[in-house]
Amino acid sequence: DTVLTQSPALAVSPGERVSISCRASEGVHSYMHWYQQKPGQQPKFLIYEASNLASGVPARFSGSGSGTDFTLTIDPVEADDTATYFCQQSWNDPRTFGGGTKLELK
Amino acid sequence: QVKLLQSGAALVKPGASVKMSCKASGYTFTDYWVSWVKQSHGKSLEWIGEIYPNSGTPNFNEKFKGKATLTVDKSTSTAYLELSRLTSEDSAIYYCTRKYNAGPGFAYWGQGTLVTVSS
Repeated sequence: DTVLTQSPALAVSPGERVSISCRASEGVHSYMHWYQQKPGQQPKFLIYEASNLASGVPARFSGSGSGTDFTLTIDPVEADDTATYFCQQSWNDPRTFGGGTKLELK
Repeated sequence: QVKLLQSGAALVKPGASVKMSCKASGYTFTDYWVSWVKQSHGKSLEWIGEIYPNSGTPNFNEKFKGKATLTVDKSTSTAYLELSRLTSEDSAIYYCTRKYNAGPGFAYWGQGTLVTVSS
């Protein structure tokens, strides 16, 4: 299976820029997607195919990368962005998710 | 708008089976694959498999073959996930999802069904 590795946690101050990384154990072309999950809620779809913003998602969120290295960027970070962020690939079978990065605000 | 409404929480005994539902609305049910995702407590997400409602064709993560059964009822726009021979490792939240209109990725999620396996 394709393993997606994310840093466990990050802490940033509101108004700053934050980059959340996701590294794949094998190439996934641009088939990387990002989700935000708040406690007690289902994941929310943010980015598809590495860099495309899902409908209704604020332009503060952006994505980049291809192959094995991907980044989700939030700029500027707002208090409401406190959540866990997951990456997910759909190029290789089975689809897999990263372990999640917990974003905390200082 | 697209909605996926899942059945309520279940408390089941080890060795038993559980069947949960996901009722779709706001789109043509037979046009999109429905996937199921497992989230163990405090952990990440695992893709279980998917089913195409128009044909009933399922695809599974090898890990869940023999554990999970996927079915649909087109007349009620409902997808089902059944888990068999339950152990404590099956205690988790299970989500049904649907892909995005414009591309891959799971754009729509049900609210989740909590399954607790305990004697």
